[in-house]
Amino acid sequence: NAGVTQTPKFQVLKTGQSMTLQCAQDMNHEYMSWYRQDPGMGLRLIHYSVGAGITDQGEVPNGYNVSRSTTEDFPLRLLSAAPSQTSVYFCASSLAGATYEQYFGPGTRLTVT
Amino acid sequence: AQSVTQPDIHITVSEGASLELRCNYSYGATPYLFWYVQSPGQGLQLLLKYFSGDTLVQGIKGFEAEFKRSQSSFNLRKPSVHWSDAAEYFCAVRQGQGGKLIFGQGTELSVKP
Repeated sequence: NAGVTQTPKFQVLKTGQSMTLQCAQDMNHEYMSWYRQDPGMGLRLIHYSVGAGITDQGEVPNGYNVSRSTTEDFPLRLLSAAPSQTSVYFCASSLAGATYEQYFGPGTRLTVT
Repeated sequence: AQSVTQPDIHITVSEGASLELRCNYSYGATPYLFWYVQSPGQGLQLLLKYFSGDTLVQGIKGFEAEFKRSQSSFNLRKPSVHWSDAAEYFCAVRQGQGGKLIFGQGTELSVKP
């Protein structure tokens, strides 16, 4: 198993550009989520999904869109990048149920200039 | 609202010394608690988790944590720190039956030779 994979590892965008961060998992996990990590703030939940076709907002959803057309993939779209979206983005997945741990991808470091 | 607080932003310990990282949570029901470690430039790795039962839980790499309901704490401990333990440590509580995690701000651990 590859686990949770994320692409790209690094990305630089100009303000106003759009892009999609890719996330995939091969563990047949129902639950997938996106977090952003900023210094001194820990990780904050952006969006999550409890299964294909079902998504919901987390703590900091503004400026981001998600969709879940398959169990394996959960892309995060930045519609019009802003400098405030400079961050490290982590995708995670788990089986459904509170007792299952979340597995994290290696992260995408995004800089918006 | 649920929250997690890690009071210490940065801790420095000498190699071979004992370690305790503090974590306090605010959660109405029985909490599901986690400790993750993040090495520089890496994703998050689960150290240990608490769901119920024995309040002292053992994890990987020689770490343990004790759940104290009366103090709303879940402190991480290690009897003898190794230089390779230098990393950032995150405490988290799982929200509801889904996979949403609420993270603390993180504690950066430095190890002196």
